[in-house]
Amino acid sequence: NAGVTQTPKFRVLKTGQSMTLLCAQDMNHEYMYWYRQDPGMGLRLIHYSVGEGTTAKGEVPDGYNVSRLKKQNFLLGLESAAPSQTSVYFCASRRSSATLSLTFGPGTRLTVT
Amino acid sequence: GNSVTQMEGPVTLSEEAFLTINCTYTATGYPSLFWYVQYPGEGLQLLLKATKADDKGSNKGFEATYRKETTSFHLEKGSVQVSDSAVYFCALSHNTNAGKSTFGDGTTLTVKP
Repeated sequence: NAGVTQTPKFRVLKTGQSMTLLCAQDMNHEYMYWYRQDPGMGLRLIHYSVGEGTTAKGEVPDGYNVSRLKKQNFLLGLESAAPSQTSVYFCASRRSSATLSLTFGPGTRLTVT
Repeated sequence: GNSVTQMEGPVTLSEEAFLTINCTYTATGYPSLFWYVQYPGEGLQLLLKATKADDKGSNKGFEATYRKETTSFHLEKGSVQVSDSAVYFCALSHNTNAGKSTFGDGTTLTVKP
């Protein structure tokens, strides 16, 4: 099993550009999450999904959109990137409501200039 | 709401020293508690967990005990190695509310030979 994979690993955007980050998991997990990690601020939840076709807002959703059309994929979109979105983005998943521990992807480092 | 407070870092130790990283939490009900570890350039990995009061989680020589009376989950290791150098995150999660996790800010540990 590949676990949780993220594409791309690195990206540099100019302000106003758009992009989509892809998260894929091959563990048949129901729940998927997008976090951002900034120095000294731990991990903050952007959006999450409790199953295929569902999405919900987390703690810091502004400027981001998500989709979960297939159970194994969770896409994070930035419609108009801003320098404040420079961060490391982590996708995570968990199997079911009975399993609370998360499996994380390797992260995407995004820089917006 | 839920919150997790970790000992501020960075922490620098010599090899074979004793490690304690403090973690306290605020939450309603009975959350599950976790320690995750992040090695340089990687995503977070589950290190250990405890799901109820007085449970002890352990893995790779690390231990933490769920103390409900002091709302704490301190991470300990008797003899650290250079390879333990990483960022450590304390986290909590409930079965409800889509199992969203709340993370501490992380503590950076550097072990010198």
